[in-house]
Amino acid sequence: DSGVTQTPKHLITATGQRVTLRCSPRSGDLSVYWYQQSLDQGLQFLIQYYNGEERAKGNILERFSAQQFPDLHSELNLSSLELGDSALYFCASSVSLGEGAEGYTFGSGTRLTVV
Amino acid sequence: KNQVEQSPQSLIILEGKNCTLQCNYTVSPFSNLRWYKQDTGRGPVSLTIMTFSENTKSNGRYTATLDADTKQSSLHITASQLSDSASYICVVIQTGANNLFFGTGTRLTVIP
Repeated sequence: DSGVTQTPKHLITATGQRVTLRCSPRSGDLSVYWYQQSLDQGLQFLIQYYNGEERAKGNILERFSAQQFPDLHSELNLSSLELGDSALYFCASSVSLGEGAEGYTFGSGTRLTVV
Repeated sequence: KNQVEQSPQSLIILEGKNCTLQCNYTVSPFSNLRWYKQDTGRGPVSLTIMTFSENTKSNGRYTATLDADTKQSSLHITASQLSDSASYICVVIQTGANNLFFGTGTRLTVIP
């Protein structure tokens, strides 16, 4: 157990729908990062939050949004889902704004299947 | 353009054999380089962290090397085990930024 908790582990939904993925960072970590990993593809950075504020944005579609709550858990919202959004979505956390001494810790991911 | 390229894309070896995975990068400025092991359907787990001044670092049967001049790193796995079957991802981190650049990984399969 890495200490980063992601729920749900699996999600199957239809095109056009909206889903919410949840991430609880490791205790003491203030930064949360979201990544997308499509089949046989590398990890793509989506967005980062630090202590409730958005700090960096990667290749995140306008249909996707995220937020980090006062208790530091984060949610990634995916709307108007398309077949191509099927992927593993990982959350990672770190102590500081950038890379902490302990580095980044990844959760086990949420596997999203859009049918 | 900041990129991380890994080779080979996939590799099959016999249990007990050694193998070496390669990572070339163009990320600048360089902070550090990490090797992650990702089991199928799981999150990446850190194996080693290489800073600019480190040439070699070992973690059990895993040994990583870094040549910051040529911007190359390798991960050597000794006496492979079936549990080593996974994707190995090279990640390069930029100095002063939150930017991580991921390679697409090498998929290693160890067969009995």
